[in-house]
Amino acid sequence: EAGVTQSPTHLIKTRGQQATLRCSPISGHTSVYWYQQALGLGLQFLLWYDEGEERNRGNFPPRFSGRQFPNYSSELNVNALELEDSALYLCASSGETGVNTEAFFGQGTRLTVV
Amino acid sequence: AQSVTQLDSHVSVSEGTPVLLRCNYSSSYSPSLFWYVQHPNKGLQLLLKYTSAATLVKGINGFEAEFKKSETSFHLTKPSAHMSDAAEYFCVVSDGYGGATNKLIFGTGTLLAVQP
Repeated sequence: EAGVTQSPTHLIKTRGQQATLRCSPISGHTSVYWYQQALGLGLQFLLWYDEGEERNRGNFPPRFSGRQFPNYSSELNVNALELEDSALYLCASSGETGVNTEAFFGQGTRLTVV
Repeated sequence: AQSVTQLDSHVSVSEGTPVLLRCNYSSSYSPSLFWYVQHPNKGLQLLLKYTSAATLVKGINGFEAEFKKSETSFHLTKPSAHMSDAAEYFCVVSDGYGGATNKLIFGTGTLLAVQP
């Protein structure tokens, strides 16, 4: 069974540009989560999508946005890139909601803003 | 609101000696707690999770963790470290009471080094 897949693995952009990151969840999973892992800041929750709807978002500015498609894959868009957006962006999926939800993570997309 | 604190940013042990990675949590509800491991250049993998069924939770690769409500702790242990255990470990609490928010709150991570 294929795990969570993310593309691209690496992305280099310049300040002010837009970045689009993609995530395919495990087959049968309807929830997708996005996290940012910036150097020295740990893993920060970005967004949660379930059944095509945005269910929750973390403390990030509106230029971080995304969507979930009917096949449950997801895109994360970052507009007006800033240098501090350089980070590893991790996507996770789960097949259930609730307190005991276990999330399965992809390998991440390394975004570098120059 | 839930939060989690990993008390050590770096831990170094010798191969064959015990491992202790410390985690304290804050939660308004009965929490769900997880430990994830991240090997270099790889994604996160679930080691174990506490779901209120038993306070001592056994995970993969010989790791286990004990939920202690009185101490609000969920420390990760392993009796004997192996070189392949060198990685970063994250303690995680679920903010998903009743499925309302369903987000995982991560600690800042503990980097485990294993010396030969």
